[in-house]
Amino acid sequence: GEDVEQSLFLSVREGDSSVINCTYTDSSSTYLYWYKQEPGAGLQLLTYIFSNMDMKQDQRLTVLLNKKDKHLSLRIADTQTGDSAIYFCAESIMNYGGATNKLIFGTGTLLAVQP
Amino acid sequence: DGGITQSPKYLFRKEGQNVTLSCEQNLNHDAMYWYRQDPGQGLRLIYYSQIVNDFQKGDIAEGYSVSREKKESFPLTVTSAQKNPTAFYLCASSIATTGGRKPQHFGDGTRLSIL
Repeated sequence: GEDVEQSLFLSVREGDSSVINCTYTDSSSTYLYWYKQEPGAGLQLLTYIFSNMDMKQDQRLTVLLNKKDKHLSLRIADTQTGDSAIYFCAESIMNYGGATNKLIFGTGTLLAVQP
Repeated sequence: DGGITQSPKYLFRKEGQNVTLSCEQNLNHDAMYWYRQDPGQGLRLIYYSQIVNDFQKGDIAEGYSVSREKKESFPLTVTSAQKNPTAFYLCASSIATTGGRKPQHFGDGTRLSIL
């Protein structure tokens, strides 16, 4: 079945790097996404990676994908207090019941950045 | 600016009452989605629609209903049959083509509580 798992909580100091991990089970995933959710708000798309890539860098964000182990990570360099939020990974499932864009979300990781 | 607008931001439901959550988008997206978010859990798909006048049940559709009469609008009704409606509801939209990258864009959510 489809399942996406994340650790629930991560605490880092301002200026350090943060690494948020995610594992998924469906090998038919096409794209994998990282979303950020601030308190009381919707989800903001941060970045994504196609399943045939193993790394993508976008300013302070680095996404690593290990397709063999079905492991995805998001590294935030020079973490700031404004990065404190819940981070969700999501995998896109092909042809789920005819909907080609179903996303399966992890439970979210709460990132707390200490000043 | 293009985006997704959800209203109201907060909503209270009395026992036995149906309530409707509004979702409007001006992104010209074909596909729209409704998710439910409970504390400590990921997002669960309630209903989705890939085209006007068509929609499908997601993973937790019982106690909910939707309509898609216009491309821009995808209202969600929480019926009295939904016994545990207290949650944060998120609406999303995306382009709806097969294959390719189709990230979902989210509104800011509606928080529904029972009176």
